[in-house]
Amino acid sequence: DQQVKQNSPSLSVQEGRISILNCDYTNSMFDYFLWYKKYPAEGPTFLISISSIKDKNEDGRFTVFLNKSAKHLSLHIVPSQPGDSAVYFCAASATYKYIFGTGTRLKVLA
Amino acid sequence: NAGVTQTPKFRILKIGQSMTLQCAQDMNHNYMYWYRQDPGMGLKLIYYSVGAGITDKGEVPNGYNVSRSTTEDFPLRLELAAPSQTSVYFCASKMTGLDGQPQHFGDGTRLSIL
Repeated sequence: DQQVKQNSPSLSVQEGRISILNCDYTNSMFDYFLWYKKYPAEGPTFLISISSIKDKNEDGRFTVFLNKSAKHLSLHIVPSQPGDSAVYFCAASATYKYIFGTGTRLKVLA
Repeated sequence: NAGVTQTPKFRILKIGQSMTLQCAQDMNHNYMYWYRQDPGMGLKLIYYSVGAGITDKGEVPNGYNVSRSTTEDFPLRLELAAPSQTSVYFCASKMTGLDGQPQHFGDGTRLSIL
């Protein structure tokens, strides 16, 4: 049973436009949600997180929105840049363990 | 500051062979984790450790063993390699057990079992 789901395996966006990556979860006990970015042949790197008591967190071009009633979070990247092309994983935290989604491959077209 | 270092980067094993995947971190982190990532899938937790001498099973521990004799090192052992263990293995660490604290990942070990 997949507790964290990323239903879009891939997304293509034009450079300069907004990228929106989505993530759904089933367990209301998750305390934190994190987004990681992964380039080929590298490990995931942390991008941004949000506590379950907030509904928005911003860091530069990256904003994460949390809708607890819908058990849904999204990552917005504005403006998108070619260097943002990577696989993005959302993860949910319960105690000190993390459940990862299957990832969305973002391609930013120049 | 090297962060999390995994060796080897690539390895091909024959069915039934054994090997140890090495993971070392130089950030004095207490918590360490082993994940595997299969194609098109997310990261699945194999084992984790909350400090030297303490380890516990994750979601998919069968066929693996770990030890944590020092803070820095967290090796993952495959005793009898099976084709189902073909995967990319990631080691990660973080300082404390605080919720939401991000993990630092190594660059992975790509393992093929033929």
